[in-house]
Amino acid sequence: AQSVTQLGSHVSVSEGALVLLRCNYSSSVPPYLFWYVQYPNQGLQLLLKYTTGATLVKGINGFEAEFKKSETSFHLTKPSAHMSDAAEYFCAVGFSGGYNKLIFGAGTRLAVHP
Amino acid sequence: KAGVTQTPRYLIKTRGQQVTLSCSPISGHRSVSWYQQTPGQGLQFLFEYFSETQRNKGNFPGRFSGRQFSNSRSEMNVSTLELGDSALYLCASSSGTGLDNEQFFGPGTRLTVL
Repeated sequence: AQSVTQLGSHVSVSEGALVLLRCNYSSSVPPYLFWYVQYPNQGLQLLLKYTTGATLVKGINGFEAEFKKSETSFHLTKPSAHMSDAAEYFCAVGFSGGYNKLIFGAGTRLAVHP
Repeated sequence: KAGVTQTPRYLIKTRGQQVTLSCSPISGHRSVSWYQQTPGQGLQFLFEYFSETQRNKGNFPGRFSGRQFSNSRSEMNVSTLELGDSALYLCASSSGTGLDNEQFFGPGTRLTVL
């Protein structure tokens, strides 16, 4: 069975500080890993994804994530937070053969203060 | 290119009623997936349709059903509504049924059951 755990339901950072959102997954098969962002009253927007190959994945808006198989982690980082980064972030896992089904973590709400 | 459209955006129903939600995918996309988002359970996969065929189904009771039309538009229906069905229902479209294809999410339909 697959599952996703996001550590920290709320994270608060200062503008300009490092953003680190944690995601650990459980999967019995090679996973596809995703990070999505959700702004209020909107749907989900894909930030980045890992399928195969390079383990450091760069996404939109300066975000990146590293797939670490030994740690079953896929943490999301951004070197310098911006006020516009305040949103809810979801980590998700899928697998080949599961079609488009994604299993999501509970989400982490990121607050950015001046 | 128009994004994923969901109608209606907001809906209020009473217990015992039924409801139909609609999702129009991005032009050319043949896969539509549905998710339920609640504060308690988070984002949960309902089902996926591709070329009018249900390809995958989540762990929801039979009161939840869906279908897809030949133009790829999809509807989901919930019968005998319960208070716990209050949620944001998101649909996502993709050009294919594999996770190598990006899924694009609509803004959602917020259903309130009184």
